[in-house]
Amino acid sequence: QQQVKQSPQSLIVQKGGISIINCAYENTAFDYFPWYQQFPGKGPALLIAIRPDVSEKKEGRFTISFNKSAKQFSLHIMDSQPGDSATYFCAASIRSGGYALNFGKGTSLLVTP
Amino acid sequence: NAGVTQTPKFQVLKTGQSMTLQCAQDMNHNSMYWYRQDPGMGLRLIYYSASEGTTDKGEVPNGYNVSRLNKREFSLRLESAAPSQTSVYFCASSDSGRDQPQHFGDGTRLSIL
Repeated sequence: QQQVKQSPQSLIVQKGGISIINCAYENTAFDYFPWYQQFPGKGPALLIAIRPDVSEKKEGRFTISFNKSAKQFSLHIMDSQPGDSATYFCAASIRSGGYALNFGKGTSLLVTP
Repeated sequence: NAGVTQTPKFQVLKTGQSMTLQCAQDMNHNSMYWYRQDPGMGLRLIYYSASEGTTDKGEVPNGYNVSRLNKREFSLRLESAAPSQTSVYFCASSDSGRDQPQHFGDGTRLSIL
């Protein structure tokens, strides 16, 4: 069963807009929450990640917001650009699982000019 | 610096045939992983190896075997391929520990007829 639930499945945003992708999890033992970006024909690549003791992390135009009590986290992409068009995956990991990633089902983002 | 190299990139098999997918990393990472990616399902963990000499099952191990040949190489074997194993297979590697990003190869696209 999917341990990390991700929404929306697809998203269309105009250039310069804000893209928001949401994820929720049930296992409170998860202790690392990365986001991966994937372009067609390529493997996923780490975009940004957060620990559960932090409520927000920002790197350039990308921000993770983390709500531990609600067991939810989200990715915000500010000033979205056509080059951001890709599939985004949230994930969670746990030490007892060798820090293997439990992925959400992905969000296909299209940024229109 | 090649990172994670997967071979072959594409393969077509007939039901019942066997095949080994190869993965090698040149980053001296301890941990290696195999995932499969299916449309609308995200990436799901098949097997992982937290260190040389150890392997553990992931979420979807049935029908697969793995070998951690040495620190660099981690292979995935399909003993008797089934159409349900048609997928894109990704190998990843990382240093040990929570905050270590996983580095993915570009995948093997496998079709089973």
